[in-house]
Formats: sequence, C-alpha cells, structure tokens
Amino acid sequence: KAGVTQTPRYLIKTRGQQVTLSCSPISGHRSVSWYQQTPGQGLQFLFEYFSETQRNKGNFPGRFSGRQFSNSRSEMNVSTLELGDSALYLCASSLFVAGGIDGYTFGSGTRLTVV
Amino acid sequence: GENVEQHPSTLSVQEGDSAVIKCTYSDSASNYFPWYKQELGKRPQLIIDIRSNVGEKKDQRIAVTLNKTAKHFSLHITETQPEDSAVYFCAASIVDDMRFGAGTRLTVKP
Repeated sequence: KAGVTQTPRYLIKTRGQQVTLSCSPISGHRSVSWYQQTPGQGLQFLFEYFSETQRNKGNFPGRFSGRQFSNSRSEMNVSTLELGDSALYLCASSLFVAGGIDGYTFGSGTRLTVV
Repeated sequence: GENVEQHPSTLSVQEGDSAVIKCTYSDSASNYFPWYKQELGKRPQLIIDIRSNVGEKKDQRIAVTLNKTAKHFSLHITETQPEDSAVYFCAASIVDDMRFGAGTRLTVKP
C-alpha cells in the first residue's frame, strides 16, 4: 500500500513569506505528527493531529500551525519565515491501537530553504 | 511532553564488534519505545520496537531492552556491518505523543 506522501519535496522561500506543507497519511492511519529536523538538532516535535483535532503540541512559536482534514490529510503552515526555519520537515502517520499507537511511519519530508 | 535523552551522540566501532545505544525517558506513563534508523538523505525507518509490558525483544542482530523501574531502554547491535552506519533515534510515546532522542551517529569501520 502507499506510504506517507509529503509534498512538495523541496521548497525555496524568501524570509518573511509564508509556506504550507502537505502530508497524506497511509490509508487507514488517522494520526499525523509533524517534526522539524535540522543538522545536530534531531527530530523536534511540532504537533500531532487525530480526527481533525490537535492533541499534542511541541515548543514552537505560534508562527507554526497545522490542521487536519476529514480524510486525515494534514497541512502545516509557517508564517513570516525566518532563516532559522530552514530544515527538513517530516510527517509521520500511525494507527491507534489499544493503549497506544502502531505502524508509526515517516514520509520522505519536505526540504525547506529560507533565503 | 516526554523528555528523551540519548547517549552517545557518536559511536564508532570496528566491523564485527557490538554497538550499544542508551536512552532514558522522564515520564513513567510512556508505554511504547521504538528505534529508528536514518541513512543519509532518507527518511527514518523503524528497525525495532518494544512495549512497556515486555522487557526484551530481539530481531536477528538487533535487540532492545527496557528497564521500566530505571526508565531507560537500550539498543544492541551485534556483529556490526558497514551498512549499519547511520543515525539511530530512540523514541518514547505516551499514547500518541511520540518524542525522540537527539540521535546517535554510528560509524562501522571495515
């Protein structure tokens, strides 16, 4: 079956602009999480959505926002881009099972460069 | 959210040796502990996982151990091969809230 699909793969934006990234989860997965990955900083948690509701949120400024649609596809938006927002943005989708989650799978990511 | 610490940040071993990566977590409510391998330019991929009701799990050359009392878990790779070279991430989740360690860059020298 199809994996987690992120679009676009690469993006170049100018400081001050805004950007929207998209993530389509594996069919049947209703939980979608977003991470920012920069060299030496690991996987920084942004937020997680389930059934169109944000359930968990990391420590990022309000310029970072997201949403989830009824078909479980998710988007994240970054407004007023800064040079430091340049990173690989990864999303992951998963199933809910008794007591937790299963099948936590990452997409290939969107490489955002802010110039 | 959960806080996960991972050590060491870099690890270099000779081919055939064993490698051990250790992680600690802060919240005793965490119940799922996966490990991911990320090769250069690729997405993180799940290599092994363990749930809180199990103390150890093994899959060929890799194994994970969990000590709930001490709140730490470890990844063990035996008979390392050059293709094991990658960045490894541990994670801990409380239901659907998954947090990752900072990663360990493993280099296996032929």
